[in-house]
Amino acid sequence: EAQVTQNPRYLITVTGKKLTVTCSQNMNHEYMSWYRQDPGLGLRQIYYSMNVEVTDKGDVPEGYKVSRKEKRNFPLILESPSPNQTSLYFCASSTMNTEAFFGQGTRLTVV
Amino acid sequence: AQSVTQLDSHVSVSEGTPVLLRCNYSSSYSPSLFWYVQHPNKGLQLLLKYTSAATLVKGINGFEAEFKKSETSFHLTKPSAHMSDAAEYFCVVRDMDTGRRALTFGSGTRLQVQP
Repeated sequence: EAQVTQNPRYLITVTGKKLTVTCSQNMNHEYMSWYRQDPGLGLRQIYYSMNVEVTDKGDVPEGYKVSRKEKRNFPLILESPSPNQTSLYFCASSTMNTEAFFGQGTRLTVV
Repeated sequence: AQSVTQLDSHVSVSEGTPVLLRCNYSSSYSPSLFWYVQHPNKGLQLLLKYTSAATLVKGINGFEAEFKKSETSFHLTKPSAHMSDAAEYFCVVRDMDTGRRALTFGSGTRLQVQP
């Protein structure tokens, strides 16, 4: 079954404690991206990757890092989380021209 | 730069009546347009997509959307609402004229379906 898998689904952490949210896809898509969803703002792109070792900033990259060492994986790293990063996060994958497939989301709370 | 405006943040209909969710977009190139649905505590599911073929696009669960270039609109419709349609709906445009290929989301329309 084609899918995008994110882990964990829920995470509560404290300010400043590094964390990683994993994302994996099984569709051999070259394009992967991370979005955050906040009430009234829709989804905003954090980072994207067009292929292995090719990543770039989206609209709201501050406070986040990513890496793309393998085609299927695209982890999101928060080196020093802050309360304003409390949000619902989605990983997505696609080819360069088609619709995106989304993971189930990770609800992050930073206290 | 591209943008998407969903004209209603909330829409409430009665079960069995038509649904209209409105979306206007701005894009400097021939856009790829999508509608996604998000049920509570769920991910995003693709309802339908427009990618420069037929202007009337049929999707899942009886939803349709019509691409009108002259009006820069891509409104979502359904002839008869069902209780299970209650969810949040996002109109999305994909940037096709730069390498970034970003998806730009509208702010969402929450659909309520009254019994």
